[in-house]
Amino acid sequence: KQEVTQIPAALSVPEGENLVLNCSFTDSAIYNLQWFRQDPGKGLTSLLLIQSSQREQTSGRLNASLDKSSGRSTLYIAASQPGDSATYLCAVIDRGNKLVFGAGTILRVKS
Amino acid sequence: KAGVTQTPRYLIKTRGQQVTLSCSPISGHRSVSWYQQTPGQGLQFLFEYFSETQRNKGNFPGRFSGRQFSNSRSEMNVSTLELGDSALYLCASSLDSSKNYGYTFGSGTRLTVV
Repeated sequence: KQEVTQIPAALSVPEGENLVLNCSFTDSAIYNLQWFRQDPGKGLTSLLLIQSSQREQTSGRLNASLDKSSGRSTLYIAASQPGDSATYLCAVIDRGNKLVFGAGTILRVKS
Repeated sequence: KAGVTQTPRYLIKTRGQQVTLSCSPISGHRSVSWYQQTPGQGLQFLFEYFSETQRNKGNFPGRFSGRQFSNSRSEMNVSTLELGDSALYLCASSLDSSKNYGYTFGSGTRLTVV
């Protein structure tokens, strides 16, 4: 059974810092990995989708990497801003064609 | 281009009642999935529909059911509501098999069972 773990569970940083969020999964037989952002009480906003054949994806200040063999992905946020404060969720798309989510990392960026 | 639309946004129901939630996917998307989000269990997969057929189902009791119409709109029904069914229900749509396109989520329906 696929399990996804995110570390750290919570993170508080001053504005301007570069930061890394970690995601690990137990079964490397995944199709894709997707990072999402969730603001309190809201739905999920897709940040980056990494297909299983790719090693990384970039969008603006965000960069996500994928290492299937080790079962790891990282989300790098450059020059963090207070508007980046949210919960960040990592999810793998498994062979059952469903998303398996981690518990998320709650990020707070202080101004 | 319109996103994924879920209605209603909020619902309050009494134990024992039933409820129906609606999801309209992005135009052209044929795959619709449903997820339940609670503080204790996080995000859990309910089921996925593709071209009106349930393609996959999560580990939820039979009180949770769904369907998909020919226009790809989907409904989720929960019968005999329990207090533990209080949650944010999220719908996600994808272009086709989802293997290479990823998912787009709606804003969710907040269900409160009293």
